[in-house]
Amino acid sequence: DAGVTQSPTHLIKTRGQQVTLRCSPKSGHDTVSWYQQALGQGPQFIFQYYEEEERQRGNFPDRFSGHQFPNYSSELNVNALLLGDSALYLCASSLARGGSYNSPLHFGNGTRLTVT
Amino acid sequence: QKEVEQDPGPLSVPEGAIVSLNCTYSNSAFQYFMWYRQYSRKGPELLMYTYSSGNKEDGRFTAQVDKSSKYISLFIRDSQPSDSATYLCAMSERSGGSNYKLTFGKGTLLTVNP
Repeated sequence: DAGVTQSPTHLIKTRGQQVTLRCSPKSGHDTVSWYQQALGQGPQFIFQYYEEEERQRGNFPDRFSGHQFPNYSSELNVNALLLGDSALYLCASSLARGGSYNSPLHFGNGTRLTVT
Repeated sequence: QKEVEQDPGPLSVPEGAIVSLNCTYSNSAFQYFMWYRQYSRKGPELLMYTYSSGNKEDGRFTAQVDKSSKYISLFIRDSQPSDSATYLCAMSERSGGSNYKLTFGKGTLLTVNP
């Protein structure tokens, strides 16, 4: 049973550039959420996608955008990178369809983004 | 005031010790409480998931929730070196669905010494 997979595992970008991170949810899951985890901090919610739409968004600027594909996989895009965007970006999946209101999040191992 | 407060530690204990990890929260709408374990360079792994006030036990782990005090705890009995990790408390207003987000504490770094 494949868990949540993310790519790439590490990425180094220069300030001002754009980056795209990818996520495949756990088999059977239809909802993808993205979290940012700065060093020494807990993960912070960026946004959640279900049925290819952004359903909920945390306190992140419009430079952060996403997409969900028909196969439930997802991308996180960050434009105009700042040094402060350096963090571990975590993708998490769960099941929403069918009224699954007891579906804890399962996390991938993340993409470590360094902005120089 | 942050919605979820967690003492970041670090916490260092000898093997076999009982470990107590705690979080407080301010948002009365939080109804679901989780503990995640995160090893270095890995994603968070769900350990415990609780809803009601009281205790929930799973092997060496016990999760405790006191909604009246807005306080949750995780106890680890007979701690092992393999328990060395960062422990994150997390909470949510909903248990799932398409509008579901977790609010995390900062995490407590635990080291269990052989």
